[in-house]
Amino acid sequence: DTEVTQTPKHLVMGMTNKKSLKCEQHMGHRAMYWYKQKAKKPPELMFVYSYEKLSINESVPSRFSPECPNSSLLNLHLHALQPEDSALYLCASSQEPDTSTDTQYFGPGTRLTVL
Amino acid sequence: QQQVKQSPQSLIVQKGGISIINCAYENTAFDYFPWYQQFPGKGPALLIAIRPDVSEKKEGRFTISFNKSAKQFSLHIMDSQPGDSATYFCAASMRSGSRLTFGEGTQLTVNP
Repeated sequence: DTEVTQTPKHLVMGMTNKKSLKCEQHMGHRAMYWYKQKAKKPPELMFVYSYEKLSINESVPSRFSPECPNSSLLNLHLHALQPEDSALYLCASSQEPDTSTDTQYFGPGTRLTVL
Repeated sequence: QQQVKQSPQSLIVQKGGISIINCAYENTAFDYFPWYQQFPGKGPALLIAIRPDVSEKKEGRFTISFNKSAKQFSLHIMDSQPGDSATYFCAASMRSGSRLTFGEGTQLTVNP
């Protein structure tokens, strides 16, 4: 089973709201990722968790706050977002952190709209 | 040096034809080159990948050709089918790292 699940599928929020995106994998993977993808563009890396510790933050604004409660779960907490943050947010996981040949498995994404 | 340049941006092919997508890179520290396929409303899915010690890799109708000296690699889809219509991203990652650098993507349309 190479499934990464994400909830919710769609999210509409106002600029003053607080919401969270959730990601789950049960493949025993030790690296988990958050990406942002705008229409007709490639995914952009936001955060990487390696063995449940934040290893990469691609200078993402503090209104995005990641959390890795355990090895299977990854959350992205959202607060005071801007309309330009509207995008598809993708979660991915891979078996071994810091291994170039390690396949990243992506979830279906959460389509976020900020009004 | 971190870029991966992908072309064409869009491609229209007739059913049964060959689809060819090209990528080029500058950074010689890249040592893993995956291709991802993405359907609308879905996450990218790994299609096929290659290491630079191999010049070609084939999986079914999909073939990666790799030219290390030219720092180029390409995806060939043989006998293209309408179900292959999707966006294709090439990518690269460096030794001792799992960060993927993506190309800009190619939107493939296969007409019936």
